[in-house]
Amino acid sequence: QSALTQPPSASGSPGQSVTISCTGTSSDVGAYNYVSWYQQHPGRAPKRMIFEVSMRPSGVPDRFSGSKSGNTASLTVSGLQADDEADYYCSSYAGSNNWVFGGGTRLTVL
Amino acid sequence: QVQVQESGPGVVKPSETLSLTCTVSGDSSRYQYWSWVRQPAGKGLEWLGRVYLSGSTNYNPSLWGRVSMSVDTSKTQFSLRLTSVTAADSAVYYCARGPFGDHSFDYWGQGTLVTVSS
Repeated sequence: QSALTQPPSASGSPGQSVTISCTGTSSDVGAYNYVSWYQQHPGRAPKRMIFEVSMRPSGVPDRFSGSKSGNTASLTVSGLQADDEADYYCSSYAGSNNWVFGGGTRLTVL
Repeated sequence: QVQVQESGPGVVKPSETLSLTCTVSGDSSRYQYWSWVRQPAGKGLEWLGRVYLSGSTNYNPSLWGRVSMSVDTSKTQFSLRLTSVTAADSAVYYCARGPFGDHSFDYWGQGTLVTVSS
């Protein structure tokens, strides 16, 4: 299995919106609506931000939203804030009781 | 509140076996699945496998034959064993709840750093 493809970096100014992509294949992202996104600050554990493509867990601001088209999922962070600066990882179910992560995207708030 | 804590040796010699334990508390729902995920320094996350409370397991095919996971009789401790380790297995190892119905990982431990070195 191959890792999902994410851009290594993304950036935006406070208040702006930024979108991070996560590209897989017809066997993972394209096959299932089971894409999740995780935020990881330096030295900290990952935190779930989105599950099932677009669902937000309780406590996650609605500035975070997810979507999917074909084999590519996306995470959009609107109204950027300084604390949003972190690494973001996508994950997808890949069938046969197997899960795969993306390589991660470092989001910088300018 | 679910609390997750990984523990184990911080250094393992090449060719030996890495053994870690995940201790869970506060999980009154008796959630069934627990996974191990690792992250080499400066790199991304890799799902290693998951163990069910019954003891059944699913593993990342890329590690097949080297990885095994188990649950103790209390159902609150989960173990990871990775054999024949090399420097490439040096990483922060996380224990995380799931995946189950929504195929995501909702609670994570703080992780434990394992370095493979002689």
